[in-house]
Amino acid sequence: EMQLVESGGGLVQPGGSLRLSCAASGFTFSYYWMSWVRQAPGKGLEWVANINQDGSETYHVDSVKGRFTISRDNAESSLNLELNSLRAEDTAVYYCARAEAPGTVDHWGQGTLVIVSS
Amino acid sequence: DVVMTQSPLSLPVTLGQPASISCRSSQNLVDTNGNTLLSWFQQRPGQSPRRLIYKIADRDSGVPDRFSGSGSGTDFTLKISRVEADDVGVYYCMQGTHWPWTFGQGTKVEIK
Repeated sequence: EMQLVESGGGLVQPGGSLRLSCAASGFTFSYYWMSWVRQAPGKGLEWVANINQDGSETYHVDSVKGRFTISRDNAESSLNLELNSLRAEDTAVYYCARAEAPGTVDHWGQGTLVIVSS
Repeated sequence: DVVMTQSPLSLPVTLGQPASISCRSSQNLVDTNGNTLLSWFQQRPGQSPRRLIYKIADRDSGVPDRFSGSGSGTDFTLKISRVEADDVGVYYCMQGTHWPWTFGQGTKVEIK
């Protein structure tokens, strides 16, 4: 069974850093683009970043460019998101998702909550 | 960025009755291969999103055929032929043709 399990969320002060991870299982991780999508409390969905199969191509939404970095470790079937210079508006549930075809994601993890507050 | 505009934002529906959600994009969503990368997602209360439809009208495995997608270019629709209690939640359209991918604001479906 396909699974995506996020971890690494928590409470962090403004300006701080966190590293989120997503452990993938049940499919050949290295075959797929992967994404991070976030959802602020009570709000809608916002795509954050994408990475291609070997990590050579990455895309980040403008609001996180220069602060967040998506990466992957195919040997470990792991997707990561490095979050730096965190702001209150980065408070959200961060979901890992598999992009099984161009321009869409099919499976989502359960999400990990990041709270940026002093 | 491509703006995705959904309407209505709130949709009270009687059980067994149909429901329809509109999604309009600020740019044409046909990609260079001729595909239109428009998906629909359902998010039940307290759960992660679940994809229902991709490429306008292709239904995901396990999605009841009560759900259907249609449209072209910049105008798209998700229809539920007969709403069931299990359909309560927020529905999002998403475009994956243009970077960055963008979502609609979400439409909350509730039972009257």
